[in-house]
Amino acid sequence: DTEVTQTPKHLVMGMTNKKSLKCEQHMGHRAMYWYKQKAKKPPELMFVYSYEKLSINESVPSRFSPECPNSSLLNLHLHALQPEDSALYLCASSQQLAGGPYEQYFGPGTRLTVT
Amino acid sequence: GENVEQHPSTLSVQEGDSAVIKCTYSDSASNYFPWYKQELGKGPQLIIDIRSNVGEKKDQRIAVTLNKTAKHFSLHITETQPEDSAVYFCAAGNQAGTALIFGKGTTLSVSS
Repeated sequence: DTEVTQTPKHLVMGMTNKKSLKCEQHMGHRAMYWYKQKAKKPPELMFVYSYEKLSINESVPSRFSPECPNSSLLNLHLHALQPEDSALYLCASSQQLAGGPYEQYFGPGTRLTVT
Repeated sequence: GENVEQHPSTLSVQEGDSAVIKCTYSDSASNYFPWYKQELGKGPQLIIDIRSNVGEKKDQRIAVTLNKTAKHFSLHITETQPEDSAVYFCAAGNQAGTALIFGKGTTLSVSS
């Protein structure tokens, strides 16, 4: 089973709202990723967690706050977003980082619209 | 840093024809090359990958070839079907880095 699940599927939020995106995998993977994808573009890496610790932050604005509460879960907390942050947010996981690269498996994404 | 170029950006074929998508990479340290298929409204799906110690890999109707000297790799889909219609992304990765660098994508349309 190579399934990564994400909730919600769709989210509409105002610029003053606080919301969270959730991601879950049960493959025993120890690396988890957040990507942002705009229409007709490839995914752009935002954050990488390795063994529940933040490993990479690709200079993402602080209005995006990631959290990895355990090895199966990954959250992305959103606050004071801008309309240009509207995009498909993808979660992915891989076996681990060290000794890689390993296959990355993506979830279905959360379609975020900021009004 | 690594740069991955992907061609063509759009590709239209008739059902049953073959489709080929090509990518070139710049970093000779890259050693892992996955291909993803993304259907409308879905996340990217890993369909095949190849590592630098292998020149070709096949899985039913899809195959990937790698030319390390020329730094390019290609996706080949034979006997295309309408359900192959999607956006295909190539990517490159290496041991030193952790990020996959993606090409810009190819929109494949298969008409019946």
